[in-house]
Amino acid sequence: GAVVSQHPSRVICKSGTSVKIECRSLDFQATTMFWYRQFPKQSLMLMATSNEGSKATYEQGVEKDKFLINHASLTLSTLTVTSAHPEDSSFYICSAVRGLDEQYFGPGTRLTVT
Amino acid sequence: GENVEQHPSTLSVQEGDSAVIKCTYSDSASNYFPWYKQELGKRPQLIIDIRSNVGEKKDQRIAVTLNKTAKHFSLHITETQPEDSAVYFCAASIPAGTASKLTFGTGTRLQVTL
Repeated sequence: GAVVSQHPSRVICKSGTSVKIECRSLDFQATTMFWYRQFPKQSLMLMATSNEGSKATYEQGVEKDKFLINHASLTLSTLTVTSAHPEDSSFYICSAVRGLDEQYFGPGTRLTVT
Repeated sequence: GENVEQHPSTLSVQEGDSAVIKCTYSDSASNYFPWYKQELGKRPQLIIDIRSNVGEKKDQRIAVTLNKTAKHFSLHITETQPEDSAVYFCAASIPAGTASKLTFGTGTRLQVTL
């Protein structure tokens, strides 16, 4: 149990375009999901907390208008990177919370902005 | 906020030997401490966790110990195998409302040599 999927696994887009990443909990419901960003050989950096039915909470320094988060159901959260630029290229990983605090991660999305 | 330090950053052991990774945390309110294993380009996988009301937990070759007084916790891997080679992250969580955020350590790259 506790399977989380993420789509797409890889995406290449042109500078100025927007990209949507989906995170799904497949076998459990998740009121809360988290979005992380991970640079090569570094730890996971929390970007925002996604709560079903309410607005996301963003970490300090993360632009909410650039990284749009929608948590429309108990099994789906989406992250849209708007007007992407090369510096947005990174590995984006979501996690879904089962129970009180157990986080299970999606496989990640590697975004490359050209 | 919470701060988690992790040591060592790299660890090389021979197959069959034990490996120990140590983490310290700053906020005494933290009550949940998971460990994740991340292979290159893949998702972090929850391998073991411990809560603040327990001092030690074991799962086959993996064990975690927690010293609340000293605010540190450790991961122990016995009889290491080549497939244990990966980056390991510790994390700490402070209870907060509907879901608790994780603060991650900086990671330990474990290399198990033949």
